[in-house]
Amino acid sequence: GDSVTQMEGPVTLSEEAFLTINCTYTATGYPSLFWYVQYPGEGLQLLLKATKADDKGSNKGFEATYRKETTSFHLEKGSVQVSDSAVYFCALPLNSNSGYALNFGKGTSLLVTP
Amino acid sequence: AAGVIQSPRHLIKEKRETATLKCYPIPRHDTVYWYQQGPGQDPQFLISFYEKMQSDKGSIPDRFSAQQFSDYHSELNMSSLELGDSALYFCASSRGAGARTDTQYFGPGTRLTVL
Repeated sequence: GDSVTQMEGPVTLSEEAFLTINCTYTATGYPSLFWYVQYPGEGLQLLLKATKADDKGSNKGFEATYRKETTSFHLEKGSVQVSDSAVYFCALPLNSNSGYALNFGKGTSLLVTP
Repeated sequence: AAGVIQSPRHLIKEKRETATLKCYPIPRHDTVYWYQQGPGQDPQFLISFYEKMQSDKGSIPDRFSAQQFSDYHSELNMSSLELGDSALYFCASSRGAGARTDTQYFGPGTRLTVL
């Protein structure tokens, strides 16, 4: 089935640093791509998504561009805050041909220090 | 805005007992997904329903069953619980049978501990 691979963490950054979390995908078609965030002790929240090549998803200062050429959907933020400390999951539909249950990457833990 | 509601939020059971988890989707959402997230793991898809019919099946053990009711809420029934079933169980809902633009909205999860 279709899958994503994301960089392993944990990632530790100082406040106001630049963030990149790499995510690459393997798919037979061109699925929608998602980033979800999980804050400590909480459920998953959709952070952003992109539905076709060259789309850029953005939310709360985070951005990710759907790049078909490199099969990537890297998450970026120009200046992280302590409140961004969480686990970030890249995801895509399990099978782009039928059913849209999500297949998640292993998650990248981000810790932002003051 | 209304979100996905899951109950109970925490559940403690003994081995070989049964458990029932409930999920109430966002109003007007007709599709429900169940996921299991083990400690330090990524969520794994279990099963989904659209318009009260099973729409997709993932890595759900035979000991588990689920259904979606006429009011679109869903229940995950787990029998003969094992220690390895201890996990966070998420329900997510979306609107529609599944399209490339559909977004799944997740509930806060039910933390199941099997002793």
